[in-house]
Amino acid sequence: DSGVTQTPKHLITATGQRVTLRCSPRSGDLSVYWYQQSLDQGLQFLIQYYNGEERAKGNILERFSAQQFPDLHSELNLSSLELGDSALYFCASSQGLGTHEQYFGPGTRLTVT
Amino acid sequence: GESVGLHLPTLSVQEGDNSIINCAYSNSASDYFIWYKQESGKGPQFIIDIRSNMDKRQGQRVTVLLNKTVKHLSLQIAATQPGDSAVYFCAEIPLSGGYQKVTFGTGTKLQVIP
Repeated sequence: DSGVTQTPKHLITATGQRVTLRCSPRSGDLSVYWYQQSLDQGLQFLIQYYNGEERAKGNILERFSAQQFPDLHSELNLSSLELGDSALYFCASSQGLGTHEQYFGPGTRLTVT
Repeated sequence: GESVGLHLPTLSVQEGDNSIINCAYSNSASDYFIWYKQESGKGPQFIIDIRSNMDKRQGQRVTVLLNKTVKHLSLQIAATQPGDSAVYFCAEIPLSGGYQKVTFGTGTKLQVIP
């Protein structure tokens, strides 16, 4: 158990819909990262937050957005969903800003039908 | 574009033997390299990282070797155990652009034969 929690575990929704994925980092970790893992593209970094502020942006679509709240939990919002958004979405946390040792949550499996 | 790739998609190793998992990278300006382990149904797990100014770094039963001349990264696992069965993939972080430019390899599946 990494100490990072993600909800829900599974999510099935239709194209065009909007969903929110939630992540609680390990106790004491200030950085939260979001990743997408699909069969055809492997793991892709989406976005990083540190202590409530966006710090790094990867291959995140404009239809996706994220935020980190004062209690340090984070949410990833996916809107206007397409079939190609079906993937595993992982959240990870780390203690500091430039810490590469990240702890990953169990992931949310999103299926768009 | 720049990419990180793996030579072998599947590696079968006898329990107790050493395993070597390879990764080729194309961006000579990469600053950090990380190895992850991902067991079935779980999130990736950080194993070890190495900075570009190092050639070798050792952890518990694992060693990462970096050969910048041929842009090659390897992960050596000593005395491989059944619990080591997983997909292993590397990641590289470029000096310019930082973590937002991180790229991940596709992964090698390690199967440990009891």
